[in-house]
Parts: sequence; structure tokens; C-alpha cells
Amino acid sequence: EAQVTQNPRYLITVTGKKLTVTCSQNMNHEYMSWYRQDPGLGLRQIYYSMNVEVTDKGDVPEGYKVSRKEKRNFPLILESPSPNQTSLYFCASSPRDILYGYTFGSGTRLTVV
Amino acid sequence: QKEVEQNSGPLSVPEGAIASLNCTYSDRGSQSFFWYRQYSGKSPELIMSIYSNGDKEDGRFTAQLNRASQYISLLIRDSKLSDSATYLCAVLQAAGNKLTFGGGTRVLVKP
Repeated sequence: EAQVTQNPRYLITVTGKKLTVTCSQNMNHEYMSWYRQDPGLGLRQIYYSMNVEVTDKGDVPEGYKVSRKEKRNFPLILESPSPNQTSLYFCASSPRDILYGYTFGSGTRLTVV
Repeated sequence: QKEVEQNSGPLSVPEGAIASLNCTYSDRGSQSFFWYRQYSGKSPELIMSIYSNGDKEDGRFTAQLNRASQYISLLIRDSKLSDSATYLCAVLQAAGNKLTFGGGTRVLVKP
């Protein structure tokens, strides 16, 4: 089944403890992206990658890192999480021709206390 | 001004009626436009994409694009209870292959 897989689905952590949210797609998509979704603010892009070793900042990149060493994987790293990073996170992927739209993962609900 | 704007709703629609959703965007160079549906706590799923001025129909859904007015709409005909969800408008901007989302319109279909 073609899909984008995120792990974990739920995560509660403490301020300052480094964490990684994994994202993997099995559709051989070139384009991958991370979004966060907050009430009243909608979906905001954190980082995106147009191919292996090519990443760029989205609208809200502060406090996040990404890497794209393999085509299928695009992990999101929070080096020192803070409470304002409590949010619902989505990974998404698309073919090179983004005209076909994104396929989203199931989401990761992160709580930082 | 937000890049992609939608009325947050809720838009209350009787079962069987037509729901009409609107979206405006600011980047005139935007290439493609999408409507996503998102159920509470779930991920967005693509309903329709539209690239050319005019209407595009897919089952009970019709997307309309007016580039001159920088306006997109979605019509849901014969609304069903299962159509109750948040509908997100998304715009592929000209620069950087960036997909920007509106805040979403919550639709409630009532029996």
C-alpha cells in the first residue's frame, strides 16, 4: 500500500530533551515536507526537501532540523524542544511534479512539558 | 494579509443541500490549487486539484477557479453527514514549489 509512515503517533516529552520524529514514504517521491498544525493557525510548513541532500526552510523552521540522506526518509529533529513546539505534526510527500498534490502521513501529536 | 484565506466557519448545511466554500489567495503567480478534507484528529486527504480557469467536477464535488479574481471555490452537492469535516484550500506558489494552506473551513452537515 502506498503510504507515508510517521512515528511515533503520540509523544510526551520534557523541555530540552532531544527527539526525532521519523517519516518514511514508499512511493519513490522526490518531494517531502513537514508541517505543524495548531488551532487557529492552520498548517504551516516547517521544512521541505526537493530531493536527496536538498532541504530548505519553510515558514516556521526555528527550533527544528531535518535531513534527507535517503529518498524515502525525512526525519524531523527537535534538538531542544520547548513547550511552544507542542503541536500536531504532519509529514507529506509528492512526486517531483507537485501538481498531483501531497500525500500526508497520519500525524504525530507532540506534547512538550 | 494572509497568503491563502478561508472563512473558518462553521458552515452549517442541511443534509442533501449544497455546501459552498470559498478561498482567496494573494500570489498571482500561483500554479495549482487543491482542496483537502480533514476529519478531526486525522490527516488531510486530497479531494480535488484544479489548474485551469473554470469548473472541474468529480462526483458530488465541483471546484471553481477564477485567476483574475484570485479566488477558488468548492461546491459539495447532495451533502451527506459524512461530509462534516474541515476543508482546506491549498495553493502551489510560483516560487520554490511551496504549498501553502488556508486555515480551513469547518463544515457541519445536519440531519
